[in-house]
Amino acid sequence: NAGVTQTPKFQVLKTGQSMTLQCAQDMNHNSMYWYRQDPGMGLRLIYYSASEGTTDKGEVPNGYNVSRLNKREFSLRLESAAPSQTSVYFCASSEVGYNQPQHFGDGTRLSIL
Amino acid sequence: AQSVTQLGSHVSVSEGALVLLRCNYSSSVPPYLFWYVQYPNQGLQLLLKYTSAATLVKGINGFEAEFKKSETSFHLTKPSAHMSDAAEYFCAVSDLRGSQGNLIFGKGTKLSVKP
Repeated sequence: NAGVTQTPKFQVLKTGQSMTLQCAQDMNHNSMYWYRQDPGMGLRLIYYSASEGTTDKGEVPNGYNVSRLNKREFSLRLESAAPSQTSVYFCASSEVGYNQPQHFGDGTRLSIL
Repeated sequence: AQSVTQLGSHVSVSEGALVLLRCNYSSSVPPYLFWYVQYPNQGLQLLLKYTSAATLVKGINGFEAEFKKSETSFHLTKPSAHMSDAAEYFCAVSDLRGSQGNLIFGKGTKLSVKP
């Protein structure tokens, strides 16, 4: 079972460069999420998508854009990377509903120099 | 608005000892609560969830959590720690402000297990 797949697993960028983090899920979930994880901060929601064709801002959206390409795929784009965006990024998916658990990918470790 | 607070960013226990990881929530309505575990260099895995069916919830790997409304707590326990339990643990609550069911995470507790 693949579950949630994220690519790449590691990336080093220079300040000002752009890149797209890819995420795909094979569980037919309607909802998808992007988080960033920083030491001592827990997980903070960047953007989410309740269904194909819709996206909404989370707690920390500045500097990011997202695209829900289809039901399976949800990408996160950094247009002009900044050192403050050095983090581990996680994608997750779930069914819609308050009692539905989220399923996570293994993360992308991004360093911006 | 809902929130969770995890007491103790780092907990250390001996192998075979009781594991107790604390989580307190804030919610004006009955919450939906989750515990996740994160092993090094991996994503989060669901340990258990509380959705009001029973106050004592059993999860995977021998963990359980008890919902106590009077104490606004959802502490995670395991009777006997194993070396393989060393990981970071996150408590989360569903954000009831929208219709989506986003999760609000605590800052995490890193569990170390000493031989």
